[in-house]
Amino acid sequence: NAGVTQTPKFQVLKTGQSMTLQCAQDMNHNSMYWYRQDPGMGLRLIYYSASEGTTDKGEVPNGYNVSRLNKREFSLRLESAAPSQTSVYFCASSETGGSYNEQFFGPGTRLTVL
Amino acid sequence: AQSVSQHNHHVILSEAASLELGCNYSYGGTVNLFWYVQYPGQHLQLLLKYFSGDPLVKGIKGFEAEFIKSKFSFNLRKPSVQWSDTAEYFCAVISARGYQKVTFGTGTKLQVIP
Repeated sequence: NAGVTQTPKFQVLKTGQSMTLQCAQDMNHNSMYWYRQDPGMGLRLIYYSASEGTTDKGEVPNGYNVSRLNKREFSLRLESAAPSQTSVYFCASSETGGSYNEQFFGPGTRLTVL
Repeated sequence: AQSVSQHNHHVILSEAASLELGCNYSYGGTVNLFWYVQYPGQHLQLLLKYFSGDPLVKGIKGFEAEFIKSKFSFNLRKPSVQWSDTAEYFCAVISARGYQKVTFGTGTKLQVIP
């Protein structure tokens, strides 16, 4: 099992450019998440998908959109990148969205917006 | 809304020293608690978790944590740290009732000096 995979690992964008971060999991998990990690701020939830076909906003959704393509894949799109979106992005999954399930994280995407 | 505080942002220890990282949460109901670890250049992984029962829980690599309900705390401990414990440690909390989102603390960077 690869667990949670993310592409790309690194990306540099110019302000105003768009891009999609890809995430896939092979654990047959129902719930998937996108976080951003910034120094001194821990992990903040951007969007999550409790199950296939549903998505909900997290703590910091502005400037992002998501698509739960199928049970395995959950993508994050930046329509018009801004320097404030420079961050490390982590995708995670859990068996369900219930509170007794640990989350499994991907390796992260380091994004720089110039 | 629930919140998590990790007051130690950066801790430096010599090998064989004892470790205690603080975690306090704010929430009025029953919670489930987690500690995650992020080794340099790697993704987050679960260190240990507490749902109920014995408030002293043991995790991987000799780590343990004690849940003290009256103090809203879930401190992480290790009797003797090793250089390989150098990492960032995140405390996380989730309501035990139904589906809720995990709230992460801001993290504590641990540097162990050989």
